[in-house]
Amino acid sequence: GAGVSQSPRYKVAKRGQDVALRCDPISGHVSLFWYQQALGQGPEFLTYFQNEAQLDKSGLPSDRFFAERPEGSVSTLKIQRTQQEDSAVYLCASSLGSGGVYGYTFGSGTRLTVV
Amino acid sequence: AQKVTQAQTEISVVEKEDVTLDCVYETRDTTYYLFWYKQPPSGELVFLIRRNSFDEQNEISGRYSWNFQKSTSSFNFTITASQVVDSAVYFCALSDTGRRALTFGSGTRLQVQP
Repeated sequence: GAGVSQSPRYKVAKRGQDVALRCDPISGHVSLFWYQQALGQGPEFLTYFQNEAQLDKSGLPSDRFFAERPEGSVSTLKIQRTQQEDSAVYLCASSLGSGGVYGYTFGSGTRLTVV
Repeated sequence: AQKVTQAQTEISVVEKEDVTLDCVYETRDTTYYLFWYKQPPSGELVFLIRRNSFDEQNEISGRYSWNFQKSTSSFNFTITASQVVDSAVYFCALSDTGRRALTFGSGTRLQVQP
């Protein structure tokens, strides 16, 4: 597609519910990144894929967070047993190669509210 | 470890004023990339500029200009003759060879009053 597409745009979950957030990167983009942006803060890195391989998951805040990219294109970020502190905007970005050289294109994000 | 500091939390100016947004970074790498993004109220991150660590030339794009100084580890962003449409949160970010993901600063909220 022309840009990075994320769905849903908004998600309200009850505490304890599982959620799945989808990212559709630009076609042909090898690298895919997930970020979490809390209200009033800068985005914080969660995890990075190169094709289907998850090369860095050092930013995932707990084992309730899980991400996958099974065929090297679409990625899903899953949060199990959501907590109120998980409320944030989740941003996905993709890059043609190494992000620094090629730059990053961001999606519009999914705003998750846990009630 | 990487770090990006945007000390200005919020800036308010009147239209047509010039404004400079500060960014200071830390990295151990000699090869790195610096970015500025704009985040309007709609929430998406709009790319403004990317510079690599070997190119210290300042850049001007219309009303926007960037001053990269390796000696002070700073990459400041100036908007000349600000407009109401410039109102947004601006983020400075860094990526280096040690970590391909971006490290963002905490952002500067710019309010341009008519």
